[in-house]
Amino acid sequence: NAGVTQTPKFRILKIGQSMTLQCTQDMNHNYMYWYRQDPGMGLKLIYYSVGAGITDKGEVPNGYNVSRSTTEDFPLRLELAAPSQTSVYFCASTPDVSYEQYFGPGTRLTVT
Amino acid sequence: AQTVTQSQPEMSVQEAETVTLSCTYDTSESDYYLFWYKQPPSRQMILVIRQEAYKQQNATENRFSVNFQKAAKSFSLKISDSQLGDAAMYFCAYRSPLDTPLVFGKGTRLSVIA
Repeated sequence: NAGVTQTPKFRILKIGQSMTLQCTQDMNHNYMYWYRQDPGMGLKLIYYSVGAGITDKGEVPNGYNVSRSTTEDFPLRLELAAPSQTSVYFCASTPDVSYEQYFGPGTRLTVT
Repeated sequence: AQTVTQSQPEMSVQEAETVTLSCTYDTSESDYYLFWYKQPPSRQMILVIRQEAYKQQNATENRFSVNFQKAAKSFSLKISDSQLGDAAMYFCAYRSPLDTPLVFGKGTRLSVIA
């Protein structure tokens, strides 16, 4: 199993541009998450999904959108990028609430 | 809402010594899950140890153990025989049984001195 994969690893965006961060897991996990990690901070939840077709907002959803059309994929869309969205983005998945979350390697995004 | 507090932004330990990282949390729930994650410079989040609140026995994984004090809402991580590879950011995290996302503390940066 490749686990949780994220692309790209790094990206620089200009203010106002849009992009999609890709996340794929091959473990058949129902639950998937997007977190952001700002410098010197812990991870904050952006959006999550409990299964295909079901998504919900986390603590910091503004400026982002998600979709979950398949069990494997959970892309995060940034519309009209802003400097405040400069961060490291982590995707994670888990099979059940009692299990650990498995994290992808992260995407470092800079908006200038 | 649940909160997780890590009061030590930075810690250091001599190689082969023992260090304890602190974590407290705030919740009104009686059943929940607690985790310690390690984040080395590679940024990969790696599970160190997990604890179910209904279990009284403290979790142990090789050189890593926890001191879980449910009444005090405290969940500290003890690293024994510290190694250079233990140098990393350590995050404490909480999960409610009613919800699946993790709530993270701000982290403690651990340095290991040779």
